[in-house]
Formats: sequence, structure tokens, C-alpha cells
Amino acid sequence: AQSVTQLDSHVSVSEGTPVLLRCNYSSSYSPSLFWYVQHPNKGLQLLLKYTSAATLVKGINGFEAEFKKSETSFHLTKPSAHMSDAAEYFCVVSDLNRDDKIIFGKGTRLHILP
Amino acid sequence: DAGVIQSPRHEVTEMGQEVTLRCKPISGHDYLFWYRQTMMRGLELLIYFNNNVPIDDSGMPEDRFSAKMPNASFSTLKIQPSEPRDSAVYFCASSRGTGDTEAFFGQGTRLTVV
Repeated sequence: AQSVTQLDSHVSVSEGTPVLLRCNYSSSYSPSLFWYVQHPNKGLQLLLKYTSAATLVKGINGFEAEFKKSETSFHLTKPSAHMSDAAEYFCVVSDLNRDDKIIFGKGTRLHILP
Repeated sequence: DAGVIQSPRHEVTEMGQEVTLRCKPISGHDYLFWYRQTMMRGLELLIYFNNNVPIDDSGMPEDRFSAKMPNASFSTLKIQPSEPRDSAVYFCASSRGTGDTEAFFGQGTRLTVV
């Protein structure tokens, strides 16, 4: 069975400072991992994905995430936060090739302080 | 492709009424997912289909909820009778499910049951 844990429900950072959103997963197989972003009153948009290629994955809007198998983590980072980054972020694990589900974390709401 | 299309975008209904949410997945995608999003519970997977066949409906909250996929281009999520606690945003997503397992989401249906 797969699961994903987002360790922080809310994160606040000042504009221009680094962002770190934490995600840990468990999976019986080698999963695919994703980060999605949801802006207020909008649908979900894919930020980046890991599918067993490079462990450091670069996404849109300057975000990146590093897959660390030994730590079962897939934390999302950005060097410098922008006001437009304020949104909710979801870490996702899936292995559809094995007929399993797409499982979402509970989400982390990112607040950007001016 | 226009992406995953959900209708209606907003639905307000009275308690006890039947509600039907609709989804058109991206052409060629074999997987279709229904999610519900609330402040309290985050994003929950309700049910998913593979090649029009329901694979796992363990997330469906109770018998008042039902989902069908009569063909590869259409799915419905029905609530009968609806209750105020069903108020949420319902997302439909589709995925190819082989190799690239990214899920593409619709804009969601915001359901309010009064």
C-alpha cells in the first residue's frame, strides 16, 4: 500500500527567502512522485514529477524537488519565494503501472509574507 | 485537446435532491479518477476507473454516492439524496496510466447543498 505524508499543513516565508515544503512517502514498489499546486479557486496544476530518472527534478516557476530513496522523501524547494507562489501544494505518490491509485497528501498551504 | 472537462462548474441544490456531476476525460487516457476536496479532509480519492471499469470505490463515502463510466469519453458522479455535508469541490482527473503517469485535472465542480 502507498501513502504520503506532508509534514506541515501551513508554511510561511518572507518574499525572497527560500521555500521548503516537506513530503515523505511509503510505497511497496518504485513509485512515481509528483507535486501539484492549487491556487485559490483554481484546479490543480502539475509542478513537477519524478519517474525514476534523475533524482533532482526541476519544475515550473523555479521549483525543484529531490527524490531521496534512503529517506523516503521528496521535498519541494525554491530558492526565492515570490508573492505569486502563495497557494496550496500537494505531494502525490502513484504507481499506475501496477494498477494502484494516485494518493494525495493532505496539502501544505504556503503563505508569502511581504 | 481541451483537457479534462467537468460540468457544471458550480451547483447549488437543496438537501434531498439528486445531483449529477459530469466529466469528459482527455482522449486516449485509460484512467479516470473522482476526487472530493474539503477544508477538513483535503483531497480524497472517491473512485477510479481503468478502461471504463471501476477498479476501487473504497473511497465512496456511502451508498448515496454512485459513479458510472458508460464509455471512454464520459463519466458521472451522482449523489442521491444529497446532504449539506456533501458540499465540496469535486475534481475529475484522467491519466494514460502507462509510463507517464501524470494526472490531468479538470477545473472542478463546486457543490453546495443547502
